[in-house]
Amino acid sequence: GQQLNQSPQSTFIQEGEDVSMNCTSSSIFNTWLWYKQDPGEGPVLLIALYKAGELTSNGRLTAQFGITRKDSFLNISASIPSDVGIYFCAGDYSGGYQKVTFGTGTKLQVIP
Amino acid sequence: GAVVSQHPSRVICKSGTSVKIECRSLDFQATTMFWYRQFPKQSLMLMATSNEGSKATYEQGVEKDKFLINHASLTLSTLTVTSAHPEDSSFYICSAKIPNYQETQYFGPGTRLLVL
Repeated sequence: GQQLNQSPQSTFIQEGEDVSMNCTSSSIFNTWLWYKQDPGEGPVLLIALYKAGELTSNGRLTAQFGITRKDSFLNISASIPSDVGIYFCAGDYSGGYQKVTFGTGTKLQVIP
Repeated sequence: GAVVSQHPSRVICKSGTSVKIECRSLDFQATTMFWYRQFPKQSLMLMATSNEGSKATYEQGVEKDKFLINHASLTLSTLTVTSAHPEDSSFYICSAKIPNYQETQYFGPGTRLLVL
């Protein structure tokens, strides 16, 4: 089946720093999604990407859909303590299946 | 944005009993909903796709007789864990898509199931 590998698995950064995380796939996707999950809660959508090469921002967050359609990255600038959480990428290949495959997750910790 | 709710948020049950979890789309109609399971410190794993008015599609390795899914209306899907065992303890999360509107899934807040 499809595999989505995220890196880093976990990272600590100082408040105010930028951080990037990326996601690679063994197969292509038509849609890339980035979610944040706080402990004990469901994932919340941060950014959705629908075209190869697309670069989209949402406040301090920027994400790009890789040209090869097999990768995506998320960048968080000027981090703040509430950015702490687990970030998941997800790929959707809607070849009639409409299923989303989730990445392995990146745990972000921000040191005040 | 689209809102998805789940009930209950947390449930504790005895081994051998059945537990029903509800997933509702509050401000849109969802012809398709999805059920995921998440074990501690792991990613979300898709269990099944719930289609309104038809049978659910289960992922490989997920027992359809153990995890009963009913999508009786455009705003409600239910997951029933039958004859629950301790190994079924997990975080169950549903999601829904807005029909004909891109491919974004909106997630519920999750249900924590603990089977004693």
